[in-house]
Amino acid sequence: EVQLVESGGGLVQPGGSLRLSCAASGFTFSSYWMHWVRQAPGKGLVWVSRINSDGSSISYADSVRGRFTISRDNAKNTLYLQMNSLRADDTAVYYCARDGGSYRDFDYWGQGTLVTVSS
Amino acid sequence: SFELTQPPSVSVSPGQTASITCSGDKLGDKYVCWYQQKPGQSPVLVISQDNKRPSGIPERFSGSNSGNTATLTISGTQAMDEADFYCQAWDGGIGVFGGGTKLTVL
Repeated sequence: EVQLVESGGGLVQPGGSLRLSCAASGFTFSSYWMHWVRQAPGKGLVWVSRINSDGSSISYADSVRGRFTISRDNAKNTLYLQMNSLRADDTAVYYCARDGGSYRDFDYWGQGTLVTVSS
Repeated sequence: SFELTQPPSVSVSPGQTASITCSGDKLGDKYVCWYQQKPGQSPVLVISQDNKRPSGIPERFSGSNSGNTATLTISGTQAMDEADFYCQAWDGGIGVFGGGTKLTVL
């Protein structure tokens, strides 16, 4: 069974940093692209970033480029999102999602971890 | 920048057909996915590649995409289908979601 479990969320002050993790199991993690998607309270889904299977190709949404860094450790079956210079509008539930393959859909999602940026 | 536009809400009576649209410039040239999200839950992929149902998704869910509009159709809508629905596509390697549509079954 595919499982994605996010952790690392919490309350952080504006300008602060946080690192999210997503532990994957039930599939060959090193073979799949992975994504981060976020959802502000009461709002819609927003794609944040993606990384290819070996970490050699990465892309970001304009809103986080230069502040967030996606990475992965295939030996630990874990996806990461390092978030720096956090702002109030980064407050959201952050989901990791598995990329389904050729058509780049998100076929499995984690339960999400809440990040709150507030003083 | 590329944008996807959905109606904020759609209402349907049980047993009837619900249609949720997603509009974007030359959207028919891209592949569209649809996600269902129920309150307090993570999104679930219900349609991939414009019209493909993943394993476990009921046959009443179908999709189409042509011109500037993609459509998610739910035939014989059930109370359990009440949820938020999001379309999604890729533009130059950047993921784009529609704003979401709240489907009410009443």
